[in-house]
Parts: sequence; structure tokens; C-alpha cells
Amino acid sequence: NFMLTQPHSVSESPGKTVTISCTRSSGSIASNSVQWYQQRPGSSPTTVIYEDNQRPSGVPDRFSASIDSSSNSASLTISGLKTEDEADYYCQSYDSSNHWVFGGGTKLTVL
Amino acid sequence: QVQLQESGPGLVKPSETLSLTCTVSGVSVSSGSYYWSWIRQPPGKTLEWIGYIYYSGSTNYNPSLKSRVTISVDTSKNQFSLRLSSVTAADTAVYYCAKVEGGVYFDYWGQGTLVTVSS
Repeated sequence: NFMLTQPHSVSESPGKTVTISCTRSSGSIASNSVQWYQQRPGSSPTTVIYEDNQRPSGVPDRFSASIDSSSNSASLTISGLKTEDEADYYCQSYDSSNHWVFGGGTKLTVL
Repeated sequence: QVQLQESGPGLVKPSETLSLTCTVSGVSVSSGSYYWSWIRQPPGKTLEWIGYIYYSGSTNYNPSLKSRVTISVDTSKNQFSLRLSSVTAADTAVYYCAKVEGGVYFDYWGQGTLVTVSS
């Protein structure tokens, strides 16, 4: 099976833009869709991106995502950072048997 | 309004079987459009997918847990359940149930329930 590797932590100031990467260890990042989940402290995760770059209703357009086959990675970009964006972010994808795999998570600090 | 609620013992002894139920409201587990899934998160660690079930009863499990996991569905009670056998301290985690939209992503999550494995 494959792994999804994320940076352990990132930090940025309010109003700025931050990007979180998610690198797939084997197999093509483009072969299965990538989802992104936000988890605030003490809360259940919520979806901010599905199918590589789609936002569920209610998620602000400050959240965007893409995949890059050349680096075999996906990226989540949050623009116009707000203090409420401070959370853990997890990427997730599947293997060929539809087994779901999560990344290790990235702690976003908005300072 | 779709809601999911986990229930079950918060403490399980080593070698015993962990059993949790997810009660669903606002949508029928019999709907052919959704999968129903269990995910866990050990304290301070990342999420781990355990498996999912379709209303028909077909299942798909994480290969690392497959030998110990059973997920079942009770359409009469609009619930689905998790059984994890031969637990050890490594199974201590917050367990979440979730609805899978379009076979693609989790659109509704339960609040999670902490299960501690300890004698």
C-alpha cells in the first residue's frame, strides 16, 4: 500500500496564504481522488475539499486544492487566513481496492 | 438534518471485543446512495480508516485490521455497528462513525467516542 506524507506543521499570519502539501509514496496521485479534512481541537473532522478540488457547500472559496503529477502530490491552499482556520488538516485518498488512506496530518497555526 | 451518534463501552479489557453502534437520523441507512464507515484516531495521532459497509451488507475493511473487524448494519433500527476483537492498548482511540457521500468523502461524522483498552 502507499503512504501520504504531509508536513508536521505550518504557520502563517492572518490575512496571508498558506499551502499544505500531501505527497503520495507510490502509485500516481492522479489515479484516485484526494480529499482534505479540517479538524479543530476537540471536534470531529469536516471536509473542506473532495475529488481533488471540489468544495462542499458552506466551505468558503478561500479554500482551494490541486494535484501535481510531476511531484506526485496534492496541495491545499488557504488564502486570507483567519484565526478560525487554525486546525489540523488531513489529506486522504484510496488504493486500487478502495482502501482509504489518510496522511499524517498538518497542524496549521495562524499567529 | 443528518446526525450520527456513536454509543458503546468506554473501557474494554485487553483480549476482549470492542463493540460500538452508530445510530443514524435524518437519512436511511438503507439508501443505496451511501456507504457507512468507521474511522479511529488514537490520542494525538492521525486518522485511521477501519472500514465501511453498504446497505446490502457488502463490506470493505482496512487490510491491517481485517482479521479482527466486523461491520454490520441493522436497517430496522437505522444503525450500523463495529466489532473489533482481541483488542490491545494500541486500539485505544476515539472512534468515529461517518456517512460516505458518493463513495468519495465523509460528509457527516459522529461526535466520536473514546474507547480505552485497559485492565
